Amino acid sequence: GQNIDQPTEMTATEGAIVQINCTYQTSGFNGLFWYQQHAGEAPTFLSYNVLDGLEEKGRFSSFLSRSKGYSYLLLKELQMKDSASYLCAPSGTALIFGKGTTLSVSS
Amino acid sequence: NAGVTQTPKFRILKIGQSMTLQCTQDMNHNYMYWYRQDPGMGLKLIYYSVGAGITDKGEVPNGYNVSRSTTEDFPLRLELAAPSQTSVYFCASINLAGSGELFFGEGSRLTVL
Repeated sequence: GQNIDQPTEMTATEGAIVQINCTYQTSGFNGLFWYQQHAGEAPTFLSYNVLDGLEEKGRFSSFLSRSKGYSYLLLKELQMKDSASYLCAPSGTALIFGKGTTLSVSS
Repeated sequence: NAGVTQTPKFRILKIGQSMTLQCTQDMNHNYMYWYRQDPGMGLKLIYYSVGAGITDKGEVPNGYNVSRSTTEDFPLRLELAAPSQTSVYFCASINLAGSGELFFGEGSRLTVL
């Protein structure tokens, strides 16, 4: 089975940096996804980490440690539009998502 | 390419009715998934398929059935709809050997009254 843990809610202000953690226990691990989901919309792809380390994509970076079963999503220079839910999913055959972290960005 | 297409986008059902949510992808992905998302909650995996003719249960399969007769199509059937099945349903597909991106459909909002 799988066990995925993310914080339920986080708050931050515009321009700040926030780190959303994800810990997981799973079998048949291939990589780890991060998705963003705005209310009422389908999730959109942010990153897919296969190897250990940090991958940077503009304001968003994602880190993976396979030995520790740990990942984080780092959001820099926060904007109001970053208010959304952030979902992590360790990739096995059955793609199961964590419950998601709702991020609220205020001015 | 259209990506992942779900129909219908909205549907209201009466308790006990049946219906099928359609999902089609044109990316030749082997892996396909059905999720449901209740208000304010995360995605729950209902069923998934790793290829034509192969399906498997996810986290919350009760009350649903699926089939995968072709690579492109992965319909989700609700038999004897219940109010607990009121939710938004998302279909998704992926080529795990490729870029790793899981492509989602736009979602189907189902209400059972």
